[in-house]
Amino acid sequence: EDQVTQSPEALRLQEGESSSLNCSYTVSGLRGLFWYRQDPGKGPEFLFTLYSAGEEKEKERLKATLTKKESFLHITAPKPEDSATYLCAVYGGNEKLTFGTGTRLTIIP
Amino acid sequence: NAGVTQTPKFQVLKTGQSMTLQCAQDMNHNSMYWYRQDPGMGLRLIYYSASEGTTDKGEVPNGYNVSRLNKREFSLRLESAAPSQTSVYFCASSAQGADYGYTFGSGTRLTVV
Repeated sequence: EDQVTQSPEALRLQEGESSSLNCSYTVSGLRGLFWYRQDPGKGPEFLFTLYSAGEEKEKERLKATLTKKESFLHITAPKPEDSATYLCAVYGGNEKLTFGTGTRLTIIP
Repeated sequence: NAGVTQTPKFQVLKTGQSMTLQCAQDMNHNSMYWYRQDPGMGLRLIYYSASEGTTDKGEVPNGYNVSRLNKREFSLRLESAAPSQTSVYFCASSAQGADYGYTFGSGTRLTVV
């Protein structure tokens, strides 16, 4: 059974204070690892797909990286508008997307 | 705007009542999904439809039924609502499985009393 564990559950940062969110996973035949952003009262919004260990993708202040066991979402010099819950998910051989419970990120001005 | 539209946005039901959650997408996606999201549990797959005319059970299908009405529409029905079905329900669609990412609707917040 595919499993995704995200840490920490919640993270509070000062504006401009860089940090990383972790996503550990076990999956049979990884076909893709996904990062989503979810704002309160809204559906998840797609950010990145990573397909193989060593791959990196960037979008504005966010950079996602992937190893064989985990993925990191690095946030550099965050702004208050980066506050959201960040979800990680894996898509494996069972052809289903399995989500973690998310990291709730708060950026304090 | 293109995307996934869910109705209603909010609903309160009494135990034992039935209702149907509606979902429509205008992106010509083949696959559609229903998830529920509960605090501390993450998003869990209820049912999915890989293509028009097919539906399959996900992780938590008990107490639900689905209908893929056509390529655009995928509905979720609660035949006899229970308090355990209080949750936020999300519909999603994708072009070719998950490889291209899912597009989610804005959700339906359902309370069963």
